Amino acid sequence: AQSVAQPEDQVNVAEGNPLTVKCTYSVSGNPYLFWYVQYPNRGLQFLLKYITGDNLVKGSYGFEAEFNKSQTSFHLKKPSALVSDSALYFCAVRDYHSGYSTLTFGKGTMLLVSP
Amino acid sequence: ETGVTQSPTHLIKTRGQQVTLRCSSQSGHNTVSWYQQALGQGPQFIFQYYREEENGRGNFPPRFSGLQFPNYSSELNVNALELDDSALYLCASSQGQGIDYGYTFGSGTRLTVV
Repeated sequence: AQSVAQPEDQVNVAEGNPLTVKCTYSVSGNPYLFWYVQYPNRGLQFLLKYITGDNLVKGSYGFEAEFNKSQTSFHLKKPSALVSDSALYFCAVRDYHSGYSTLTFGKGTMLLVSP
Repeated sequence: ETGVTQSPTHLIKTRGQQVTLRCSSQSGHNTVSWYQQALGQGPQFIFQYYREEENGRGNFPPRFSGLQFPNYSSELNVNALELDDSALYLCASSQGQGIDYGYTFGSGTRLTVV
């Protein structure tokens, strides 16, 4: 089965500093990887995905992620954090079944950006 | 273009009761998937409905069941509620069978079982 791991429960960063939220994956075959963000009392919002191609993927709200096959990682990054980026971030991998596909999520990482 | 709408937003039920959660899919989407997000965990796939039939199921017991209607809206039913069923239930719609076609998530229904 496909899986992802988010090793940090929480990441703290000061506004204006770069941020990284870590994700590693374990898959058979080529990975389809995703990042989602969840604000309090809200559903999941799509940030970006990697399917194939360039290892640096650009997404919404200035976020990007770097796919590293040798390290089996897909870390989320942003050059300059905003207080409004404070939220819960989920890494996910596509899990393919017979005739349909689903997402398998990590446990999530809480990002706290201080003013 | 409307997004995915879930109702109710919050719900409190007693152990042993039954609950129905509702989801209206995004316009043009014919598939609905349901996920359970327990506190401190990532969402877990419950099942998926495509053209009014369940075509995929995760590791959830039969007391979790669902329906999809001709307008592609969907219901999630949970019988004999247990305390561990307390969670945020997320509905996601897509234009085809699964994430390859892009999910749009609703804001969820928070179920508390006491």
